[in-house]
Amino acid sequence: AQSVAQPEDQVNVAEGNPLTVKCTYSVSGNPYLFWYVQYPNRGLQFLLKYITGDNLVKGSYGFEAEFNKSQTSFHLKKPSALVSDSALYFCAVSDSGNTGKLIFGQGTTLQVKP
Amino acid sequence: DTAVSQTPKYLVTQMGNDKSIKCEQNLGHDTMYWYKQDSKKFLKIMFSYNNKELIINETVPNRFSPKSPDKAHLNLHINSLELGDSAVYFCASSQGLQGSNTEAFFGQGTRLTVV
Repeated sequence: AQSVAQPEDQVNVAEGNPLTVKCTYSVSGNPYLFWYVQYPNRGLQFLLKYITGDNLVKGSYGFEAEFNKSQTSFHLKKPSALVSDSALYFCAVSDSGNTGKLIFGQGTTLQVKP
Repeated sequence: DTAVSQTPKYLVTQMGNDKSIKCEQNLGHDTMYWYKQDSKKFLKIMFSYNNKELIINETVPNRFSPKSPDKAHLNLHINSLELGDSAVYFCASSQGLQGSNTEAFFGQGTRLTVV
């Protein structure tokens, strides 16, 4: 069965420092991986996805993610964090049954302090 | 222009009542979804419709009934509401089935509180 794990409930980082939000996955076959962000009292917004090709994927708001097949990881990164990046981040993997179903991780709260 | 809109944004109701949440998307997508986010922020898919056809029914109690009158709308009707139904419900849409090569666009959510 497909699954996604986000090992950290919360990540704290100072503004201007690099940030990493971790995600590991377990899939059968080739993974389709996604990152979404949820700001308070808002819906989810798509950040980026990995389907195939380059292991480093660039997305919205300066975020990028590195796909590592050997470590089954898809960590979200940003070189310089902003206070406005503070939000809840979800990693997700698509269902291999081609149903369109996304399986989400439990979410990681990112807190960027001035 | 709101891409995926849900109404109402907040819904407070008593146990046993029947309520509906409406969702509309103006993106021209052919697939729509309902997700439930519980109090611990965990997200789980409930239903998906592709071209008005039910694709996923993720072991949701049959008190929950989605209805898709056309590709742009997917409403969620809930009968006999229970305390455990309290959650935030998100509607989403995508062009084609989400995951393969397409991402979903989410509505703002409907916070349902059953008292």
